[in-house]
Amino acid sequence: DAKTTQPPSMDCAEGRAANLPCNHSTISGNEYVYWYRQIHSQGPQYIIHGLKNNETNEMASLIITEDRKSSTLILPHATLRDTAVYYCIVRGTGNQFYFGTGTSLTVIP
Amino acid sequence: EAGVVQSPRYKIIEKKQPVAFWCNPISGHNTLYWYRQNLGQGPELLIRYENEEAVDDSQLPKDRFSAERLKGVDSTLKIQPAELGDSAVYLCASSRGQGATEAFFGQGTRLTVV
Repeated sequence: DAKTTQPPSMDCAEGRAANLPCNHSTISGNEYVYWYRQIHSQGPQYIIHGLKNNETNEMASLIITEDRKSSTLILPHATLRDTAVYYCIVRGTGNQFYFGTGTSLTVIP
Repeated sequence: EAGVVQSPRYKIIEKKQPVAFWCNPISGHNTLYWYRQNLGQGPELLIRYENEEAVDDSQLPKDRFSAERLKGVDSTLKIQPAELGDSAVYLCASSRGQGATEAFFGQGTRLTVV
C-alpha cells in the first residue's frame, strides 16, 4: 500500500487559507487520495477525495499534482473550528483506509 | 441518515477482565472497519468486513482479540483478557463498499485498563 508523508504540525491565521501538503510518491494509477480530519475526542470526519483532477466541495479544495506524487488540501478561510489533525490517506482498490500520523493544524486568532 | 453508532462511549476495566464493544453501521453499508487509536497516533486498522466476511484481519491480535459481524450488519469487538496496553480509543467505521466511496466513523469507545 502507498504511504503518505505529512508535516507533523502547522499554524494558520484565522481567516487565511490553510494549505496542508501531502507526499504520496509511491501512489499507483488506480489509488485515490482521501483527506480526513479529527477534532479532539471525535471520530475522523471525511473532507474530500480525488483521483487525478482537482476537486472542490463546501469544506475544502484538493489539488493533486500532475504526476500524482503529492497533493495539497486547501481550507480557503480557516476558522478556529478548523483546528484539528488532518490525515492524508491513499486508498487502494482493496477498500482499505490506512492512516498515518497526520498534520496537527492550529488556527490562531 | 443516522451515523455510525458505537457503545459504550467510555469503559474502564481492570486488567485480565473481558470487554466488548458494539458497532451499528450506517444502513446499507456493506463494509465495516474496526480501528484502534493510541494517544497521539493515527487510527490503526484492526479488521475489515465485507458483509459478514472478515477480509482483512492481519493486524488483529488474535490471541486476545476477536470480532464478529453476524448477518452482515452490527459488529462486536471483544478483548479477553484485557491488558494495560489495550487502553486506547476503538473506532468503528462503515462504507458502501468498493469504489470511490468515503468511510464514516463513529465517535469511538475510549477504553481504560487499570
